[in-house]
Amino acid sequence: NAGVTQTPKFQVLKTGQSMTLQCAQDMNHNSMYWYRQDPGMGLRLIYYSASEGTTDKGEVPNGYNVSRLNKREFSLRLESAAPSQTSVYFCASSEGLAITDTQYFGPGTRLTVL
Amino acid sequence: AQSVTQLGSHVSVSEGALVLLRCNYSSSVPPYLFWYVQYPNQGLQLLLKYTTGATLVKGINGFEAEFKKSETSFHLTKPSAHMSDAAEYFCAVSELSGTYKYIFGTGTRLKVLA
Repeated sequence: NAGVTQTPKFQVLKTGQSMTLQCAQDMNHNSMYWYRQDPGMGLRLIYYSASEGTTDKGEVPNGYNVSRLNKREFSLRLESAAPSQTSVYFCASSEGLAITDTQYFGPGTRLTVL
Repeated sequence: AQSVTQLGSHVSVSEGALVLLRCNYSSSVPPYLFWYVQYPNQGLQLLLKYTTGATLVKGINGFEAEFKKSETSFHLTKPSAHMSDAAEYFCAVSELSGTYKYIFGTGTRLKVLA
């Protein structure tokens, strides 16, 4: 039982390049999330998916797109990377969107955009 | 508007001393409150959460937190710090407001001195 897995662990991009961050969970959770973590700013929600087939914007969605490929997988795409997107990205999942549902986090992807 | 404030971005304590990490929130409706811990190079994991009922909540690794509505606080404590407690701690608040909201504080890095 791996929980939430993310690939890659590290990535360096040049401005304007595109890439997709992958996330998968094996807990049969309905809801999945993408956050970014920046120094002094905590975690901020980029996008979330309440259930398979649905996605919604979070606090900071600009410059990103997501795909809920199936119940297990939720990917985050940067179409044209910018230095402001240098951050650590975390994927998380939970049973559902109930306020009391615990979120389980992956180990993160450290992205640098030059 | 919903928000979370963690006082002190860095806290140092001696091994065996009391750990106190502060969290204050603002919310227009009864909040749900969470503490997460992040060890180096890992994702976040839930320490404890308050939803309803008993205001003193016990979590993993000997941590506990008390919800004080009159003070709008949810401070995290542990009677005796261990070296293994060195990590970053995040307070989070969520509320039932029609749309999904889950706001993290900016984090407090705990250092434990031998």
